[in-house]
Amino acid sequence: LAKTTQPISMDSYEGQEVNITCSHNNIATNDYITWYQQFPSQGPRFIIQGYKTKVTNEVASLFIPADRKSSTLSLPRVSLSDTAVYYCLVGGLTGGGNKLTFGTGTQLKVEL
Amino acid sequence: DVKVTQSSRYLVKRTGEKVFLECVQDMDHENMFWYRQDPGLGLRLIYFSYDVKMKEKGDIPEGYSVSREKKERFSLILESASTNQTSMYLCASSSLEWPEQYFGPGTRLTVT
Repeated sequence: LAKTTQPISMDSYEGQEVNITCSHNNIATNDYITWYQQFPSQGPRFIIQGYKTKVTNEVASLFIPADRKSSTLSLPRVSLSDTAVYYCLVGGLTGGGNKLTFGTGTQLKVEL
Repeated sequence: DVKVTQSSRYLVKRTGEKVFLECVQDMDHENMFWYRQDPGLGLRLIYFSYDVKMKEKGDIPEGYSVSREKKERFSLILESASTNQTSMYLCASSSLEWPEQYFGPGTRLTVT
């Protein structure tokens, strides 16, 4: 199983770009990298997913280097409402569902 | 919008009781998941189901069982609850294509 490591917490100010990195040194060939956002008293919510290189959607970008041993979630111009816990998930469902490993989460705090 | 509902937001049970946690999704998803979430440990997969009556063990299946008799419903069963099973339990579903999982709001279970 891929082991994932994330920073415990990060602080930022409104309008800044935030980059959260997840390390996953033993990622398998078939594993995807997915990021989720979680607010208090809610279940996690999907943000973005990628396999390699760069993926961008309307809320975030995901950068994955060629060796895929890490990934970086980039949130452009954060606002107070981006204060949440962010999780990276590494894995896939080929061959069984027991190949999904969540990181321990990064608490992002955005201030004025 | 995909909706994943869980039978209870809060539950208090006594040690040794049999506990049922119910999860229902309304998007005809093939995959359903049960996780537990603990501070400092992130989300850990307990069981996964990819079809009716089919299940796969996750990272921490000990002390738990699951049941999927209908496609939309996935139940987590604690045969004999113990205090170390006090946790937040999250249910999720996804289509076969994956990777976006839709999570329910969670059930906070306390075993005394």
